[in-house]
Order: sequence, then C-alpha cells, then structure tokens
Amino acid sequence: DTAVSQTPKYLVTQMGNDKSIKCEQNLGHDTMYWYKQDSKKFLKIMFSYNNKELIINETVPNRFSPKSPDKAHLNLHINSLELGDSAVYFCASSQERVYEQYFGPGTRLTVT
Amino acid sequence: QKEVEQDPGPLSVPEGAIVSLNCTYSNSAFQYFMWYRQYSRKGPELLMYTYSSGNKEDGRFTAQVDKSSKYISLFIRDSQPSDSATYLCAMNPSGGSYIPTFGRGTSLIVHP
Repeated sequence: DTAVSQTPKYLVTQMGNDKSIKCEQNLGHDTMYWYKQDSKKFLKIMFSYNNKELIINETVPNRFSPKSPDKAHLNLHINSLELGDSAVYFCASSQERVYEQYFGPGTRLTVT
Repeated sequence: QKEVEQDPGPLSVPEGAIVSLNCTYSNSAFQYFMWYRQYSRKGPELLMYTYSSGNKEDGRFTAQVDKSSKYISLFIRDSQPSDSATYLCAMNPSGGSYIPTFGRGTSLIVHP
C-alpha cells in the first residue's frame, strides 16, 4: 500500500485556470506538508499543517491554499494559475518527529 | 547567502568508489540534519538523520555533522549504479513545529 499518494500525477492547464491537487496518507501521521520543487530541483516548503496549526511560508502567494477535510488528507488549491507555477508539487507527512517526513510521488504541473 | 548550500553536481564516480556529499549552512540553530535520496521523477525518501554533532552509520551510508564548522557530509561506501540519484540535505532547528530547510540537492551518477 502506498503510504503517501497524490492525484493527479500530471496536470497540464492554461493560465488563469483554478486547479486542485489531492494528497492522502495512510500512515496515521498528524502533520502534512506541501512542497514545490522547481526546475533546478530546489525543494521549497509551502505549507505545514496539522489539526492545531497552519504554518504558511510567507513567500507563497495567496492564490495557493491548503484544504484539509480530515487528518489523512491535505489538498492544494491553486487559483488563477500562472506560468511560474509550473513545477513538481510534493505532499509529505510526518508524525511528531518532523525530521522524518514521508513524501508522495509528486504532481507535475505544467501551465501553458 | 542561502541558509543551506549544496553543490548541485553532477558528481560522476565509478562503481565501488567512496562518495562524499556535503552541505554547509549558516543557521546555528539547526539541530537535526537529514539526508534524503530522490530518484528521477520520484519523491524524496529519508535515508538518515542525525541530531547535533557526530557520526551515524547505516550499512554503506555514514552521516557526519560538524556543528563548529556548520558542515555536514554523507559518505557512501562501495557505491553502486543503483545509488545514482539526487541527494538532498535538510536541516531543522528542533523536532517540534519548525519546518525543514532543504539544500538544492547533489546529482550523483555511479557508472558501472
């Protein structure tokens, strides 16, 4: 069974559209994350979220918003997509020890 | 200066070589030091983590932390073609709600 799964794996869309990426973890972890990895492989955290606290990286545009229907799911909604949003987006989860994160397979977003 | 510096490579070595991967950092508050391995088009997977200074060994992998020099290393003994991947270092001030800072990764190629 996949520990952290994401859908879709690939997403191609036009500028100005709104899209969502879904993430699910079956590890029983209480904290989930969204990362953006650019073309130079630089992995940058966007959000850290558990049922107590949402930590937002202040450099993330407010067009991006995490939505968590329950502890096992953290979806990423993106409004008014821009060309610069093209990247691979990774979901991750961890339990109390934040240094042990488990990553999903990634969603490759291409904005045309 | 970025908080975490890592040479992107690529680093190309013959099979069986000892590989040394390194990161430097500027934030003296970092306490947890992690190494992730990322295969092409996959999510990062945690290899090892260490707390504060010292060494940690796991099979062919050894992680070293020198906090006085703000320098961490990952050594791979008897490297195999299957070790070919991007290796990312990551650091965290504590095991609590802080979020990790990643290096940009070093691409390693082990040729037969």
